[in-house]
Amino acid sequence: EDQVTQSPEALRLQEGESSSLNCSYTVSGLRGLFWYRQDPGKGPEFLFTLYSAGEEKEKERLKATLTKKESFLHITAPKPEDSATYLCAVQGYSSASKIIFGSGTRLSIRP
Amino acid sequence: GAGVSQSPSNKVTEKGKDVELRCDPISGHTALYWYRQSLGQGLEFLIYFQGNSAPDKSGLPSDRFSAERTGGSVSTLTIQRTQQEDSAVYLCASSLGTPGLKGEQYFGPGTRLTVT
Repeated sequence: EDQVTQSPEALRLQEGESSSLNCSYTVSGLRGLFWYRQDPGKGPEFLFTLYSAGEEKEKERLKATLTKKESFLHITAPKPEDSATYLCAVQGYSSASKIIFGSGTRLSIRP
Repeated sequence: GAGVSQSPSNKVTEKGKDVELRCDPISGHTALYWYRQSLGQGLEFLIYFQGNSAPDKSGLPSDRFSAERTGGSVSTLTIQRTQQEDSAVYLCASSLGTPGLKGEQYFGPGTRLTVT
């Protein structure tokens, strides 16, 4: 069964303090791994798709990396506006449509 | 351009009543997904549409839940005989194709359902 586990559940950082969020996954043939950002009271906002181990994607202060068992979302010199819940999700070849989400990491950046 | 819209934004209903939740996807998006998000939890997959057909209904929690999509556009999620455990935010997303085939999902703001 496909599974996604995110850690930590919550992370509080000082503005400018870099860190990483972890997404461990189990899937029978990875079709794609997705990162989303969700602000309170809103739907998730797409950030990245990663397809194969070794792939990296960047957007502003965020960089996502992928191995065969986990993905990291690195945040460099974060700002208070980066505060949000970050969700990781996977899609496997065994179920071409079903997308499995983790429970998210709640990131808070203090000014 | 217009994003994914959902209505109503909030719905309070009594236990045992039926509810209908509506999703208007982005024009031209062939794939449509419904998810459920309980407080502080990740998203739970409910159903996927490609066009008007639903090749994957495996996430629907019980036979009280059903969904349809007409004209390859608007979708409704119906919950019959609502129970308190149905209380959650119901999110809809659409994409040009199946995510993973370079089709990222765009989410609506959700419908917050409260069953009293």
